[in-house]
Amino acid sequence: EAGVAQSPRYKIIEKRQSVAFWCNPISGHATLYWYQQILGQGPKLLIQFQNNGVVDDSQLPKDRFSAERLKGVDSTLKIQPAKLEDSAVYLCASRRDTGDTQYFGPGTRLTVL
Amino acid sequence: SQQGEEDPQALSIQEGENATMNCSYKTSINNLQWYRQNSGRGLVHLILIRSNEREKHSGRLRVTLDTSKKSSSLLITASRAADTASYFCATLSGSARQLTFGSGTQLTVLP
Repeated sequence: EAGVAQSPRYKIIEKRQSVAFWCNPISGHATLYWYQQILGQGPKLLIQFQNNGVVDDSQLPKDRFSAERLKGVDSTLKIQPAKLEDSAVYLCASRRDTGDTQYFGPGTRLTVL
Repeated sequence: SQQGEEDPQALSIQEGENATMNCSYKTSINNLQWYRQNSGRGLVHLILIRSNEREKHSGRLRVTLDTSKKSSSLLITASRAADTASYFCATLSGSARQLTFGSGTQLTVLP
């Protein structure tokens, strides 16, 4: 089966600009996660979707971050406006309903100058 | 917040040697998973051990879990240069089936 797809792989922007990341999960995986991974740290969950509904967005900085999964398949994560501390790798993962293993995409490395 | 702390933060060994990484966590769990991350790539699932299991093997990997001490260890036997990567433990708890990752161990296997 095809893996989790993410784009772009790299993005460089200046602070206060906006940016969007896209994720296409593995076919049939109802649950989708977005993580932020700062250099030298483990991934931190930002938001979890079940189909097109939000399960948990308690760690999403909602003043600048937003995410949607309108048709219950692919998802976008947006940052507006970006800050220097948003520089990180943004990882998307998906999971089938019957298992606990998460399958990760290659990530988008964001650099905010 | 990070659930787990991993020890050591960095480990450098020679090819053929065994590598042991430890993970401690704070709250009760459903299971504990180990993931590998190669530089610049996404995470790859290695092995899952349930809270009622004490030891599990998969190929050259051996995982132990001590729920009384809230700790786990990952042993990689007969390491290869291709094992060079960051290794993360992640605990799963709650009905939302969310993973909380540790801070990772950077393993370098020298040829």
